[in-house]
Amino acid sequence: NAGVMQNPRHLVRRRGQEARLRCSPMKGHSHVYWYRQLPEEGLKFMVYLQKENIIDESGMPKERFSAEFPKEGPSILRIQQVVRGDSAAYFCASSPQGLAGGTDTQYFGPGTRLTVL
Amino acid sequence: SQQGEEDPQALSIQEGENATMNCSYKTSINNLQWYRQNSGRGLVHLILIRSNEREKHSGRLRVTLDTSKKSSSLLITASRAADTASYFCARGRMDSSYKLIFGSGTRLLVRP
Repeated sequence: NAGVMQNPRHLVRRRGQEARLRCSPMKGHSHVYWYRQLPEEGLKFMVYLQKENIIDESGMPKERFSAEFPKEGPSILRIQQVVRGDSAAYFCASSPQGLAGGTDTQYFGPGTRLTVL
Repeated sequence: SQQGEEDPQALSIQEGENATMNCSYKTSINNLQWYRQNSGRGLVHLILIRSNEREKHSGRLRVTLDTSKKSSSLLITASRAADTASYFCARGRMDSSYKLIFGSGTRLLVRP
């Protein structure tokens, strides 16, 4: 059973460009979470999605950032007009039950390290 | 800050010794999870302990939870060089247990 997959693993963008980060959850998991990690810090929650639904996006910046989890295909975290402060590691996690499961272990992918020049 | 504290920030021990890391938090929790992160890599889930549990074991790992003191500890016994990593506790809040709140981690170095 493959784990959570993220691609690309490393992404370099110039200021003003768009960054698209992809996440394929573990097989059988329909709940996806995105977190951001700045150097030497812990992860910070950004958004929680189920298939075709955004459940909680309270941790996502209001502008330039968006996330989706379509019926088919991976979840996408999109950052428009990137700035240097967006440089970070972005981690995706998935879980089998989400809210319905109550206490639910989240399994993390290897992350995408975004560098904005 | 609702993220709480982890201590120590860094810990250096000799192989074979035990390592204890602590995590404190401020808000009520549904569960608390410990993760390991090797340098530049993803997070590996270690243990989940629910708010009504006091202690859990997994191999060389022992986690305790004291909800009255709002604190948890992770004990790694008989440490190995391969245990060198950053260790994070992540709290699932009562009202939104899916929204894990991470501390800044403890960087453990196990010297061979």
